[in-house]
Amino acid sequence: SQELEQSPQSLIVQEGKNLTINCTSSKTLYGLYWYKQKYGEGLIFLMMLQKGGEEKSHEKITAKLDEKKQQSSLHITASQPSHAGIYLCGADQGAQKLVFGQGTRLTINP
Amino acid sequence: EPEVTQTPSHQVTQMGQEVILRCVPISNHLYFYWYRQILGQKVEFLVSFYNNEISEKSEIFDDQFSVERPDGSNFTLKIRSTKLEDSAMYFCASSRDIKLREKLFFGSGTQLSVL
Repeated sequence: SQELEQSPQSLIVQEGKNLTINCTSSKTLYGLYWYKQKYGEGLIFLMMLQKGGEEKSHEKITAKLDEKKQQSSLHITASQPSHAGIYLCGADQGAQKLVFGQGTRLTINP
Repeated sequence: EPEVTQTPSHQVTQMGQEVILRCVPISNHLYFYWYRQILGQKVEFLVSFYNNEISEKSEIFDDQFSVERPDGSNFTLKIRSTKLEDSAMYFCASSRDIKLREKLFFGSGTQLSVL
């Protein structure tokens, strides 16, 4: 079965700094989802990547899927307190049956 | 943006009791899912549902669980006789089309506590 490993498990950064979260898969990724989890708000969809080398951006968040399709990264530029939360990557195993990583807890210090 | 709505946000029940968790998927979506997250663990797939029948289910989804779309808008998860280990956050999700790998939208979850 496919396993996703996220690194780091937690991250504390100063407001305004850039950061990167990685998601490594044990198998080829055919669809990789990034979500943000905040208590009381469920899983908020950020981006979905399918093609090797694909890169997508939304506001200050950029996600990439490497050419070999076994790793994805999420990069936040000029972090803000609103970016705090738990970031989850999820791999599509077919028919949107997702397997998730364990999450990266992001704290932004003012 | 349209949302997946889940009720209640918190449910406390006694072991052995039946619970029904409710979800209203996004209106033009055709594929529906339940996932759960036990405290401190990964989010895990339970079941997918399309065209009024289960498409796929995980080994967690045993005979104690059932899903239903009782009308055109609601999608429910029933746990027939709850156990302590059923305590978790349960997320409903929906999608318009799986073939195109459309966005998968999640609700805000129902926190189930079994005492």
